[in-house]
Amino acid sequence: SQKIEQNSEALNIQEGKTATLTCNYTNYSPAYLQWYRQDPGRGPVFLLLIRENEKEKRKERLKVTFDTTLKQSLFHITASQPADSATYLCALLQNTGNQFYFGTGTSLTVIP
Amino acid sequence: NAGVMQNPRHLVRRRGQEARLRCSPMKGHSHVYWYRQLPEEGLKFMVYLQKENIIDESGMPKERFSAEFPKEGPSILRIQQVVRGDSAAYFCASSPPRVLNTEAFFGQGTRLTVV
Repeated sequence: SQKIEQNSEALNIQEGKTATLTCNYTNYSPAYLQWYRQDPGRGPVFLLLIRENEKEKRKERLKVTFDTTLKQSLFHITASQPADSATYLCALLQNTGNQFYFGTGTSLTVIP
Repeated sequence: NAGVMQNPRHLVRRRGQEARLRCSPMKGHSHVYWYRQLPEEGLKFMVYLQKENIIDESGMPKERFSAEFPKEGPSILRIQQVVRGDSAAYFCASSPPRVLNTEAFFGQGTRLTVV
């Protein structure tokens, strides 16, 4: 069956450290993978996109890696801040698909 | 350029009533997606529409749920004879005509509570 799994437990880290979130998928052939941020009571907001032929993408303090052999994406937030506290969702679009498939999300709390 | 607009933000319905959720995509976007989110769960795909056309409804329950995206006006997600299990946050997203190599822009969601 198809699955997209993210860190099952909430992640708590100290301010200034690097947060690393994982996204593993099974039985998908993604054309690309995306990361979104969702705050309580709000809709998801797009952060980064990485294509199947790209290994790494950066945007300010954010970095995403994509390993199609391991079927895994890692999402890093460097120099984390309390304002980074939110739920982070990974999503993928298949080569033949019309829709975005989402993981269950990882709740991140950055402790001052 | 206004973002994706959903209304109402909160909707309370009694069991057996109908719920109508509206979504106006971003200007220039012709693709609309509906997702459902239960507490502590991820976004579950329901349906993907283009103007006057349902492209993929593989995530829609077989009964009571329907969606449309008319030539004029917002996309509508309709739930007939609601039950308690329909209580959830329903999110709409839109994207430009070229769906690949782009992101989805989400609305703030409609929180449906069935009492």
